[in-house]
Amino acid sequence: ETGVTQTPRHLVMGMTNKKSLKCEQHLGHNAMYWYKQSAKKPLELMFVYNFKEQTENNSVPSRFSPECPNSSHLFLHLHTLQPEDSALYLCASSSGLASTGELFFGEGSRLTVL
Amino acid sequence: DQQVKQNSPSLSVQEGRISILNCDYTNSMFDYFLWYKKYPAEGPTFLISISSIKDKNEDGRFTVFLNKSAKHLSLHIVPSQPGDSAVYFCAARANQGGKLIFGQGTELSVKP
Repeated sequence: ETGVTQTPRHLVMGMTNKKSLKCEQHLGHNAMYWYKQSAKKPLELMFVYNFKEQTENNSVPSRFSPECPNSSHLFLHLHTLQPEDSALYLCASSSGLASTGELFFGEGSRLTVL
Repeated sequence: DQQVKQNSPSLSVQEGRISILNCDYTNSMFDYFLWYKKYPAEGPTFLISISSIKDKNEDGRFTVFLNKSAKHLSLHIVPSQPGDSAVYFCAARANQGGKLIFGQGTELSVKP
């Protein structure tokens, strides 16, 4: 079982749909992250959670809504997205915000918004 | 303003030769640098890192060099192997607990 698991791996949705991305980490980490990767662009940090508390929202539109019920699970709720939101969404975890910075990533959820 | 830049979107190298991937940064407060490797349909995986107090860190075939005066770091892979073909991301952090800032990645292709 991989350390960080993301589901679904692929998602196609219309602009009026509501869907959720799920991330689960089995590494005993305390910090979890959502990143967005668009083609030929840097990985963009979206949200950071530390011990279930959101510590960073990187000016993300409200149509993206994160949820962290515990240190092992992280969700990204999607609502009324735009085609330009199509991207690979990566979840990551680390032992803590004060760690050396090494992140462990999931395999990503490829989102296509029609 | 992009603080971490990888100006080469792609690089092609012959098997057995050296691969050199470059990364430039603008923030002099960055104190820790990392390289991640990403295969298609997989998440990035940590490869090697270097603290700003060092200028070189070596791990097997992988060596990272840091030139703080030039705000430049590079990843050397010697000898390159076809399995090294992937996208390589450079990342930097401003302080312990600070968020990682990533570059846009360089796609390395190692040809047999």
